[in-house]
Amino acid sequence: GAVVSQHPSWVICKSGTSVKIECRSLDFQATTMFWYRQFPKQSLMLMATSNEGSKATYEQGVEKDKFLINHASLTLSTLTVTSAHPEDSSFYICSGKGSGQPQHFGDGTRLSIL
Amino acid sequence: GENVEQHPSTLSVQEGDSAVIKCTYSDSASNYFPWYKQELGKGPQLIIDIRSNVGEKKDQRIAVTLNKTAKHFSLHITETQPEDSAVYFCAALGNQFYFGTGTSLTVIP
Repeated sequence: GAVVSQHPSWVICKSGTSVKIECRSLDFQATTMFWYRQFPKQSLMLMATSNEGSKATYEQGVEKDKFLINHASLTLSTLTVTSAHPEDSSFYICSGKGSGQPQHFGDGTRLSIL
Repeated sequence: GENVEQHPSTLSVQEGDSAVIKCTYSDSASNYFPWYKQELGKGPQLIIDIRSNVGEKKDQRIAVTLNKTAKHFSLHITETQPEDSAVYFCAALGNQFYFGTGTSLTVIP
């Protein structure tokens, strides 16, 4: 079945640094990629939607200058958390969707900011 | 926009019993309803889905029913096993995916 690979699975870094998370669709072309944030015991909160080759569309309240999203190819999207702070610590999950296909999720990235 | 409500938030069943999770949605234009299983520390995995032109779909021990008139859909798991323990999310697709708040299912051996 369709597979979305997300890397890294867990990252710990100091406050003020930038962190890049990669999301790859391994066996299908993801025309649309979604980035979610999930706090413990809560549902997924959509951060942004990106179509290949276009600028991402951010949800209300999500700072686009802080959460940089790039979707340069049909199989790769990246989320960069710039100048990360402890309140950015969360579980970030990407999802890819191809034409006529359901949404498939990566296994998430646990981000811990010290 | 769409509003998806999911109940219950937690559910405990004995191994072998059935589990039912219900979701309601508000946007009558929503036409695709997937269910996801999320294990601890992992991303959601699609387990079953249903489109609005179908009333019921079954895959072994898992089934989903959809009532378009009432705008609700349900996940049914029969003969539950301990490995079914996880958080389950429903979703509705309108102009984007809207997720329910999740149900933490515990299957007691």
